[in-house]
Amino acid sequence: QVQLVQSGSELKKPGASVKVSCKASGYTFTSYAMNWVRQAPGQGLEWMGWINTNTGNPTYAQGFTGRFVFSLDTSVSTAYLQISSLKAEDTAVYYCARDGVAAAGTIMGFDYWGQGTLVTVSS
Amino acid sequence: EIVMTQSPATLSVSPGERATLSCRASQSVSSNLAWYQQKPGQAPRLLIYGASTRATGIPARFSGSGSGTEFTLTISSLQSEDFAVYYCQQYNNWPPNTFGQGTKLEIK
Repeated sequence: QVQLVQSGSELKKPGASVKVSCKASGYTFTSYAMNWVRQAPGQGLEWMGWINTNTGNPTYAQGFTGRFVFSLDTSVSTAYLQISSLKAEDTAVYYCARDGVAAAGTIMGFDYWGQGTLVTVSS
Repeated sequence: EIVMTQSPATLSVSPGERATLSCRASQSVSSNLAWYQQKPGQAPRLLIYGASTRATGIPARFSGSGSGTEFTLTISSLQSEDFAVYYCQQYNNWPPNTFGQGTKLEIK
């Protein structure tokens, strides 16, 4: 069965960096794009961008350029989100989510999600 | 960027009744719209894609309709486990894949 398992919660000080992992299993990792979604406390879902798991090419949404980096290690079917120069406003739950592809080959939204990783930035 | 607007922000419905949630796009997204359910402390779950196709394992009481700019998620007979926050998402014109702000479905 398809699973996305993310790394555990992180508590970081302002200015530090954090790297969140998302380990995929149950499917061919390089066949499906991976997205990252942020959810600030009590807020809605915000798409951060995606990474082509075949080429490693990332695309970042507006507001997530510069300090945010998506990367892969295909040898262990894992996607990573690294955030540098952390700020208090980066405090959120970060989700990885797989791009779903329907039987007809059409996109179907995000069909599998990781359990989320809470990143807390506080001095 | 396409803006997705959901209404109402909060919907109070009694168990067993029907719930109707709306999602409007600022420009046409064809049928490239998904609905997600999120319960407290959990990741979102895909309910509907292609505006009207139920994802695997989703009960038949969930149905989606609409195309272009106006979409509806209907839950025909609310069960206790259906009380949650629902988000719509367009994936027609991306990046970005934009989400609506969510509708909280609460017990009346």
